[in-house]
Amino acid sequence: QKEVEQNSGPLSVPEGAIASLNCTYSDRGSQSFFWYRQYSGKSPELIMSIYSNGDKEDGRFTAQLNKASQYVSLLIRDSQPSDSATYLCAVADNYGQNFVFGPGTRLSVLP
Amino acid sequence: GAGVSQSPRYKVTKRGQDVALRCDPISGHVSLYWYRQALGQGPEFLTYFNYEAQQDKSGLPNDRFSAERPEGSISTLTIQRTEQRDSAMYRCASSLDRVGGTQYFGPGTRLTVL
Repeated sequence: QKEVEQNSGPLSVPEGAIASLNCTYSDRGSQSFFWYRQYSGKSPELIMSIYSNGDKEDGRFTAQLNKASQYVSLLIRDSQPSDSATYLCAVADNYGQNFVFGPGTRLSVLP
Repeated sequence: GAGVSQSPRYKVTKRGQDVALRCDPISGHVSLYWYRQALGQGPEFLTYFNYEAQQDKSGLPNDRFSAERPEGSISTLTIQRTEQRDSAMYRCASSLDRVGGTQYFGPGTRLTVL
């Protein structure tokens, strides 16, 4: 059974701080990694994808991947109250199969 | 429309009835995925298609669940003889290509089985 684990939270950070979200996965064959954001009552929307070890930056967001440790993280710099949402980690193999979501981490950014 | 659409948005049915949930993906998207999401949980994979071919149905809970995408566009998820435990949000997503690309989610269908 392929598993993706995340701390359920809630993770509370003050406005302007860095929020760090973590995810571990069980399938060493996973090659594609995604972070989705889901506001309450809404559908998930993609924030970032990462496929290679290391860091990938996009604006205030940085995804970090370490395949050896089976670990992927998302950093949100200068957190804003509008970042308050549930963040879902998802992994897949090279063919887009075995697409597995984690349970999500609820982030609360306090003004 | 520009996004993924699903219908109905809400469905209330009695236990034992069959239901059909529809997904209309973004035009031209090759892959289509079905998920079920319980409150406070991440989406749970059910099945997916590339064009009209069902590639993986390992996530379907049992044989009461089936899905089709006969012309490689619109898809229908059918649940026969519904049970209360089937109550959930059912989400559809589509992606442009078949190799682990970005999935765009529809608004979901909230199914309630009484």
